[in-house]
Amino acid sequence: EIVLTQSPGTLSLSPGERATLSCRASQSVSSSYLAWYQQKPGQAPRLLIYGASSRATGIPDRFSGSGSGTDFSLTISRLEPEDFAVYYCQQYDSSPRTFGQGTKVEIK
Amino acid sequence: EVLLVQSGAEVKKPGESLKISCKGSGYNFATYWIGWVRQMPGKGLEWMGIIYPGDSDTRYSPSFQGQVTISADKSISTAYLQWSSLRASDTAMYYCATLINFRAALNYWGQGTLVTVSS
Repeated sequence: EIVLTQSPGTLSLSPGERATLSCRASQSVSSSYLAWYQQKPGQAPRLLIYGASSRATGIPDRFSGSGSGTDFSLTISRLEPEDFAVYYCQQYDSSPRTFGQGTKVEIK
Repeated sequence: EVLLVQSGAEVKKPGESLKISCKGSGYNFATYWIGWVRQMPGKGLEWMGIIYPGDSDTRYSPSFQGQVTISADKSISTAYLQWSSLRASDTAMYYCATLINFRAALNYWGQGTLVTVSS
């Protein structure tokens, strides 16, 4: 089973700042089968990024994903008030699919 | 528009059985995989398993194999998650979501079904 470790656990930033979230895999994720999701309180998760770097439909271009192999990142170029949420990475390369434990982006 | 509508919240006692549902619309239900994800109170997301409604091919995470049953009825565009004997530790929010193929991200999500198991 591929274990995904996200860091930091919590990121305290102000609106307008840049956020960089990390996701490290215990073994290589081939063909960049890595996704990022956003979850706000009381809501279902929403797909942001798939294939490590492709934005899902309707996702603003301030969200970008990068990485390959075992190291991936999600960058939010300028935080908007609605971006404060929990973010999860997920690999869908091998079974069982696994999620990281999440990074909370909170208002400083 | 792709929509997944899940059944309502449930309150059950330990040992009881339960079947929750996830109804798809706006797409060919039989041709997209459906995944189930658990979120325990205050915790992260856990992958439970997936099913292909076209032929009911089902894959479970080892953590959930034997603990739940995933099924689907393509004639009514509905997927199910069921328990034969609930435990307090099954208390969680359960989400269904679509995958466009076997190796894909979860692109459309249901609103979630809260299951509470308490004596």
